This record gives sequence, C-alpha cells and structure tokens, in this order.
Amino acid sequence: AQKVTQAQTEISVVEKEDVTLDCVYETRDTTYYLFWYKQPPSGELVFLIRRNSFDEQNEISGRYSWNFQKSTSSFNFTITASQVVDSAVYFCALSGQMFSGGYNKLIFGAGTRLAVHP
Amino acid sequence: GAVVSQHPSRVICKSGTSVKIECRSLDFQATTMFWYRQFPKQSLMLMATSNEGSKATYEQGVEKDKFLINHASLTLSTLTVTSAHPEDSSFYICSARTSNEKLFFGSGTQLSVL
Repeated sequence: AQKVTQAQTEISVVEKEDVTLDCVYETRDTTYYLFWYKQPPSGELVFLIRRNSFDEQNEISGRYSWNFQKSTSSFNFTITASQVVDSAVYFCALSGQMFSGGYNKLIFGAGTRLAVHP
Repeated sequence: GAVVSQHPSRVICKSGTSVKIECRSLDFQATTMFWYRQFPKQSLMLMATSNEGSKATYEQGVEKDKFLINHASLTLSTLTVTSAHPEDSSFYICSARTSNEKLFFGSGTQLSVL
C-alpha cells in the first residue's frame, strides 16, 4: 500500500528563519513520483515540484530546495529565509506509475501548516 | 502553465438538493481528471478518476450514485452531488492531467449544505 507521512502538523517560525518540512513515504512500486504542493488560505493547490524515483538529485528553486533520499524514503522540503507569504499548508504526495507510463492518482500526506510570523 | 478552471468556487445549498461542480481545462485537453475532497484541516482524499468518454473509477467508500461524475469532453468534467446532506459539506477540488503527464489543480469549490 502507498502512504505518505508528514509528521509535522504545524510549524511556526519567524521571518527569515529556515524551515524544513518532512515527508516520508511508503510504496512497493519501483517507479513512482513525489510531489509537493502549497495550499494558501484561499484554498487552491499550487504545484511546487515533481520528482520521479530515478532522479535523486537534489533541487533548488530560489528559496526552495528539496532533498530526496531514497534510502530513507524521504522527500524533505526546505524554505530558506522564510517570508510571511510562505504561510500555507504544504502537502507532500506520492503517485505510482500507470501501465501507460503516466502517473496515477495522488496519495497525499496530511499536510503541514506553516505559519511565518513577521 | 496550464489553467484549470473550477466553478463555482463556493456554493451553499439546502439539504436534499443537488449541486453540480464543473472542472474545465482551459488551454489543454485532459483525457483524465481527478476529483478530491478535503474536510477542514485534513488532507485531500481522492474520490474518483474521470476518463473522457468512459465511466469514472471511484475509490473505495465513495458512493457513485451520490457523486455523479461526467467527463463528456476533453476539456470538461462535472461532479454532481445528488441529494446533498450536511455531511457532504466539504472542499472539492479537481485536477486535470496534460498529455505530458503534468497535473494541474482547479481552485476548488467550498460546498456548504444547510
């Protein structure tokens, strides 16, 4: 069975602090995809990153960085120099691979609510 | 990036009425769309997978007669909550998959059943 665990329910930081959101996943698939989404108070889901299981290279995009460790089944997300606008719920998600090669439904973690205070 | 439009963004209805939610891919064709439900402060749970021209695939525990999904065209999928009850009050969100396997989400619909 597939499962995504985001153990941190809520995190509160002060602006400019770095913060890491943890994500641990379980899957029996050899090929799978991992995602991070941001859900601001308005409710929509904002795509942040997709990573396939064969690509363990860490990625940096501006203040965002992701650390994919297959050995520990983790896909952690770090925000450097956090800002108030980063306040949102962040979801980690997992998807298996379809026979057609595309990815299937997303299994979401419970989400981590990040509050960045001025 | 691709745009997925979901309408309405908010709906309040009386118990027993039916509510239709639309999910449109505005600038791409989506053979597959997904419908999720999110209860307050909880995660998103997949309800069903909608494939254009065929019947939707429902997740375990989701009543297909209550949550009717129609994916009649490559750019439109609808979710109809039939005979809605207060326990159906939730945030419903759709996503559409592009031909190059990217997923884009709609902005969600907050349903409140009185």
